Amino acid sequence: DSGVTQTPKHLITATGQRVTLRCSPRSGDLSVYWYQQSLDQGLQFLIQYYNGEERAKGNILERFSAQQFPDLHSELNLSSLELGDSALYFCASSVEGLRNNEQFFGPGTRLTVL
Amino acid sequence: GDSVTQMEGPVTLSEEAFLTINCTYTATGYPSLFWYVQYPGEGLQLLLKATKADDKGSNKGFEATYRKETTSFHLEKGSVQVSDSAVYFCALDNQGGKLIFGQGTELSVKP
Repeated sequence: DSGVTQTPKHLITATGQRVTLRCSPRSGDLSVYWYQQSLDQGLQFLIQYYNGEERAKGNILERFSAQQFPDLHSELNLSSLELGDSALYFCASSVEGLRNNEQFFGPGTRLTVL
Repeated sequence: GDSVTQMEGPVTLSEEAFLTINCTYTATGYPSLFWYVQYPGEGLQLLLKATKADDKGSNKGFEATYRKETTSFHLEKGSVQVSDSAVYFCALDNQGGKLIFGQGTELSVKP
């Protein structure tokens, strides 16, 4: 158990819909990351937050957005969903978000868009 | 941009065989290098890391050495077990937390 929790575990929805994925980091970790794992794209970095502020952005679509709240939990919002958004979405956390910090990964949320 | 290339899988070995999974990277500067492991149905776990050239990361019998001259970080284990069956990801961090992963190598160890 990494100490990072993600809800829900599974999500099945239809094209055009909007969903919210939730992540609680390990106690004491200030930085949260979101990654997408799909068969065709592999594991891709989406976005990083540090203590409530966006710190780095990767290949995140404009239809996706995220935020980190004062209690440090984070939410990833996916809207106007397409079939290609079906993937496993991981959240990770680290102490400070620096280059050598170990990232601890949650179990993931599997999103299926029908 | 920065990138990581791993040998393609799946790799199938017998128990107690020697394992090598090749990983090479392209990056400016001096990235940190990592190996993560993903067991079926689980998230990724850090297996080992190295933060500068010639550093050797090791954990649970696995080793990898950061070779700047060949831009490589190959994963090795002298004697694999069935419980090592998983997907292994090589990754680099050059920008303060943004991990860039290779495509993953699936390892299957048969008794």
